[in-house]
Amino acid sequence: GAGVSQSPSNKVTEKGKDVELRCDPISGHTALYWYRQSLGQGLEFLIYFQGNSAPDKSGLPSDRFSAERTGGSVSTLTIQRTQQEDSAVYLCASSLMGLAGTTDTQYFGPGTRLTVL
Amino acid sequence: AQSVAQPEDQVNVAEGNPLTVKCTYSVSGNPYLFWYVQYPNRGLQFLLKYITGDNLVKGSYGFEAEFNKSQTSFHLKKPSALVSDSALYFCAVRDNEAAGNKLTFGGGTRVLVKP
Repeated sequence: GAGVSQSPSNKVTEKGKDVELRCDPISGHTALYWYRQSLGQGLEFLIYFQGNSAPDKSGLPSDRFSAERTGGSVSTLTIQRTQQEDSAVYLCASSLMGLAGTTDTQYFGPGTRLTVL
Repeated sequence: AQSVAQPEDQVNVAEGNPLTVKCTYSVSGNPYLFWYVQYPNRGLQFLLKYITGDNLVKGSYGFEAEFNKSQTSFHLKKPSALVSDSALYFCAVRDNEAAGNKLTFGGGTRVLVKP
């Protein structure tokens, strides 16, 4: 079946502009995650949605970052007033349930490469 | 807190030789451990995971990993490496007693298999 899809695959923007990154999880997966992969910081957790519960936003690096998940499926990660240090690959993952204490595997999308000039 | 260390930035191995990629972890409770592989310009692909039970876990593409609780390690192995195994490998951990479901990743190990 179809995996996690992300769009756009590449995004180049100017410093100070807002960007939106989209993630379509695997059908039937109720948990959705955003991670960021950058040269200096490696792979770091950003935010996690599980069903209708309040999202875990503990990894968001600043209040310029926000994410929403509409209808329990598609998610959008928004970065406002982008800075050069936001340049990275943004990875989305989904898992079947993702409840605390479960062992579900997270499956990753191909990522969006963001470049802030 | 949970953390993962991959002590080698790069591993070079000749095709046909055994491949080992090292990973050690730290958690408060019991660990859930994962290995992912990343090919150029691709996302992370799941290889295998350890949750409980047999310490030797077998996964995709002939890879296996051995969980060692006393050494807090979860090294990835393949008996005979292929050139196509050249990629970036990530170990990840989740503490089963921690709230939430986030994975903490190691820094990654680049594997280069030479013909």
